[in-house]
Amino acid sequence: DSGVTQTPKHLITATGQRVTLRCSPRSGDLSVYWYQQSLDQGLQFLIQYYNGEERAKGNILERFSAQQFPDLHSELNLSSLELGDSALYFCASSVALTSGDYNEQFFGPGTRLTVL
Amino acid sequence: KNEVEQSPQNLTAQEGEFITINCSYSVGISALHWLQQHPGGGIVSLFMLSSGKKKHGRLIATINIQEKHSSLHITASHPRDSAVYICAVAFGNQFYFGTGTSLTVIP
Repeated sequence: DSGVTQTPKHLITATGQRVTLRCSPRSGDLSVYWYQQSLDQGLQFLIQYYNGEERAKGNILERFSAQQFPDLHSELNLSSLELGDSALYFCASSVALTSGDYNEQFFGPGTRLTVL
Repeated sequence: KNEVEQSPQNLTAQEGEFITINCSYSVGISALHWLQQHPGGGIVSLFMLSSGKKKHGRLIATINIQEKHSSLHITASHPRDSAVYICAVAFGNQFYFGTGTSLTVIP
């Protein structure tokens, strides 16, 4: 158990809908990362937050957005869903003394999103 | 263009064999991660390296910054090592992943 929790575990929805994925980092971790893993693209970095502020953006679509709340939990919002958004979405957290630190990341169990 | 290349893509070994998985990258990195993903989907971070060598149990990871290359070694492989091993690099504020090496260890 990494100490990172993600809800829900599974999500089935229809095209055009909007969903919210939730992540609670390990106690004390200030950095949260979101990743997408699809069969054709593999793992891709979406976005990173550090202590409530967006720090880095990867291959995140404009239809997707995220935020980190004062209690450090994070949410990933996916809107106008398409079939191709079906994937595993992982959240990870790490201790970072400053926003530029690189530390070991601890991954949550993932949310499996199926768009029908 | 793929910033991270892993080899081999698939690997089958007999229990007890010494295994090496390679990762080459094309950018100057701040750190390199080796991840393990089991069939159930969960991802575990095995190592984070920025130089040299790290060892944890039967696992050894090395990195050569000048050659932009890292290796993950598994000594005395066991069926429970069967998983996908993924190399990931941190470059600036971005992260890039290899496509993974699927390892099957046969008893």
